[in-house]
Amino acid sequence: DTEVTQTPKHLVMGMTNKKSLKCEQHMGHRAMYWYKQKAKKPPELMFVYSYEKLSINESVPSRFSPECPNSSLLNLHLHALQPEDSALYLCASSQMGGDQPQHFGDGTRLSIL
Amino acid sequence: GESVGLHLPTLSVQEGDNSIINCAYSNSASDYFIWYKQESGKGPQFIIDIRSNMDKRQGQRVTVLLNKTVKHLSLQIAATQPGDSAVYFCAENTSGTYKYIFGTGTRLKVLA
Repeated sequence: DTEVTQTPKHLVMGMTNKKSLKCEQHMGHRAMYWYKQKAKKPPELMFVYSYEKLSINESVPSRFSPECPNSSLLNLHLHALQPEDSALYLCASSQMGGDQPQHFGDGTRLSIL
Repeated sequence: GESVGLHLPTLSVQEGDNSIINCAYSNSASDYFIWYKQESGKGPQFIIDIRSNMDKRQGQRVTVLLNKTVKHLSLQIAATQPGDSAVYFCAENTSGTYKYIFGTGTRLKVLA
């Protein structure tokens, strides 16, 4: 069992749908991350939150909208996605300051029809 | 042996042998490095880390070596077991930042 919980595990949505991915951790970590991972590729950083504030946005299209409602929760709101957005979306958390190991959830497998 | 091509590089080793997985990192300012193991259908799992003031660190059955001169990192797994079969990623970070850059990954196949 991982200490970072992601829901749902699988999501299939049409290009006009709106859905949200959720991530929760109770390790007291104040840095939280969203990554996108395509098959046979490494995770690619999308967003970083530190102390519930967005600190890094890696030029992600606006159809992805992150939200950090409190120190334990991280959401990723999805709207008008494209087929190429189909991927595994990973959430991670870490202690503050960088140079700390990240703890990953098992991801949400997203398929866009 | 190791194969590299259009697909994920794969290292095949016999059960009980030692494995060495290599990684070239890109940023000379990186001073913190992590090895992750990713099994099918799961997220990356932390294995071991090393800071740039060290050149070797040992864990349980694993050793990480860091060569800053040539920007090279390696993961050694002793007495490789079937449960070690997975994709292994290195990641680099610069202290004080939250940007972690992952290497391309290596698939480790353990042959019985």
